[in-house]
Amino acid sequence: SQTIHQWPATLVQPVGSPLSLECTVEGTSNPNLYWYRQAAGRGLQLLFYSVGIGQISSEVPQNLSASRPQDRQFILSSKKLLLSDSGFYLCAWSVPFQGLPYNEQFFGPGTRLTVL
Amino acid sequence: DAKTTQPTSMDCAEGRAANLPCNHSTISGNEYVYWYRQIHSQGPQYIIHGLKNNETNEMASLIITEDRKSSTLILPHATLRDTAVYYCIVSPIKAAGNKLTFGGGTRVLVKP
Repeated sequence: SQTIHQWPATLVQPVGSPLSLECTVEGTSNPNLYWYRQAAGRGLQLLFYSVGIGQISSEVPQNLSASRPQDRQFILSSKKLLLSDSGFYLCAWSVPFQGLPYNEQFFGPGTRLTVL
Repeated sequence: DAKTTQPTSMDCAEGRAANLPCNHSTISGNEYVYWYRQIHSQGPQYIIHGLKNNETNEMASLIITEDRKSSTLILPHATLRDTAVYYCIVSPIKAAGNKLTFGGGTRVLVKP
């Protein structure tokens, strides 16, 4: 069966510090991968998605970046965190549409980031 | 992608059916209707999807109007564990990257 892991679960970082969040998926090959952010009391905002190794699409311009160094690894990074980067970061995966005619995304447990 | 409109919040009595409406008047013929829910402090969970016909699974039923401009998610016997934010999403079949755009959703509170 497929599982998705995210770490760390919680993180408190000072403004201006770097960030690295990691997401890995097990039990599937060539998944689509996604990073979402949810600010307190708000909806989910898609940040990045990837359809393959090294292929990153950015949805929202910001000081964050994403990388996919391996098939089932997705990393979210920042060189300098802002207060507005605080939120709940969720990684998700889906089977490429060639596998299924519809789109079911599976979400990880999330990382709660507080920038002080 | 077509936009959706949902009530901001609604209450439901435990054991009763919960009917969650969603308006998607600009939906096009190649777009599915998806429902996800997000329990507090967790990632969203897929519930059900449909294209034209009504659908039912172990979690819920989805009723889509004949003109496809609106739909209703039905939780047949709501329990306290169904308290969550419910998202109605419209997305094309074979969307680029299988992207989903989450709106504000409906905050459902199931009361004893």
